[in-house]
Amino acid sequence: EAGVAQSPRYKIIEKRQSVAFWCNPISGHATLYWYQQILGQGPKLLIQFQNNGVVDDSQLPKDRFSAERLKGVDSTLKIQPAKLEDSAVYLCASSSRPPGGTDTQYFGPGTRLTVL
Amino acid sequence: GQQLNQSPQSMFIQEGEDVSMNCTSSSIFNTWLWYKQDPGEGPVLLIALYKAGELTSNGRLTAQFGITRKDSFLNISASIPSDVGIYFCAGRGAAGNKLTFGGGTRVLVKP
Repeated sequence: EAGVAQSPRYKIIEKRQSVAFWCNPISGHATLYWYQQILGQGPKLLIQFQNNGVVDDSQLPKDRFSAERLKGVDSTLKIQPAKLEDSAVYLCASSSRPPGGTDTQYFGPGTRLTVL
Repeated sequence: GQQLNQSPQSMFIQEGEDVSMNCTSSSIFNTWLWYKQDPGEGPVLLIALYKAGELTSNGRLTAQFGITRKDSFLNISASIPSDVGIYFCAGRGAAGNKLTFGGGTRVLVKP
């Protein structure tokens, strides 16, 4: 079974530029998460999708960050305009809760963003 | 918001040693999870704990869900070089599937 795919793996941009990240979850996984992991810290949830609907985006800086999952499969996360403090690894995860079971999140390798 | 404090922040291991790390929270969690993250990779789930007091093993790893539901620990027995990496605890509260991660424990090999 293929894992969570993310691209690009690395991105370097200048502040005030825009950037977009792409995630393809594990096939059949209805729930998709985007996390931000700043160097030396644990991942922090930015947004959670259930199919193509947003479940939780309470920690997403909505003035500059946006995310979509239009067809309930792939997702994109965009930052516009980027700030220096957005330098981090952006992790995508997906999960599928089996009937009567519990949720296990599987993470992709992440996209390392450097804002200069 | 909820915060998880992991300790130690880093530790050195020598092959064959047992190591342990823990995670504490000011809030109650219904689920405790332990992940390992290698450089350039996403976190990988090691152990999941679903009940207060639960003690679960996965090979040389053992983790426990604290009775108060505000803490958890992870033990690694007879460490080997590939145990090097960053270990994260994560908790899930009553509402939804949102995970809160600790700051991580970096495990390094003694020179």
